[in-house]
Amino acid sequence: GESVGLHLPTLSVQEGDNSIINCAYSNSASDYFIWYKQESGKGPQFIIDIRSNMDKRQGQRVTVLLNKTVKHLSLQIAATQPGDSAVYFCAETPSAASGSRLTFGEGTQLTVNP
Amino acid sequence: ETGVTQSPTHLIKTRGQQVTLRCSSQSGHNTVSWYQQALGQGPQFIFQYYREEENGRGNFPPRFSGLQFPNYSSELNVNALELDDSALYLCASSAGTVRETQYFGPGTRLLVL
Repeated sequence: GESVGLHLPTLSVQEGDNSIINCAYSNSASDYFIWYKQESGKGPQFIIDIRSNMDKRQGQRVTVLLNKTVKHLSLQIAATQPGDSAVYFCAETPSAASGSRLTFGEGTQLTVNP
Repeated sequence: ETGVTQSPTHLIKTRGQQVTLRCSSQSGHNTVSWYQQALGQGPQFIFQYYREEENGRGNFPPRFSGLQFPNYSSELNVNALELDDSALYLCASSAGTVRETQYFGPGTRLLVL
């Protein structure tokens, strides 16, 4: 969904723990989803993507799960490290007809405590 | 690093002025999208350029305009600046327009006084 407000949801974890960041989307026609990581003062960095014909995709230390029934996306980070501290955004492409314009969620601030 | 570069990194303008922001896309990419990111919020889509033509526009007024050049680099122009235009302006390049991963540059921080 669209970003609203100035207060980001926050998640605080201990180094070495697993992190789960959640995202709800609103458009049932969305067929491509991406997770980005944004560190302070930098542009969003691509982490992992998933297409609507899949429900799970794994990368290096990260897994994305897609539940189209409830329009929910999650990002799992294994063995979270201090360098993972950042704001995480999910983004969706509303439909193939709209090209690759991205609609971003509100973001989650992840803090990893040593 | 994504290979997407933006200039300048920071800019201060006053209300009513005009600004031009620049973006060089990653090698091999023919599509550039521009986003505005207000503090504490997610990026908002402004418009996209594909092979020098506008290919979709978000909910931004006409005083936001753009160009794409034959080498696929791009400019974002904003006329009659308003205080609310203060934001981080991001460009992203991709290898096409449909379900292609967008790679972002570092952004230009614009402050309008």
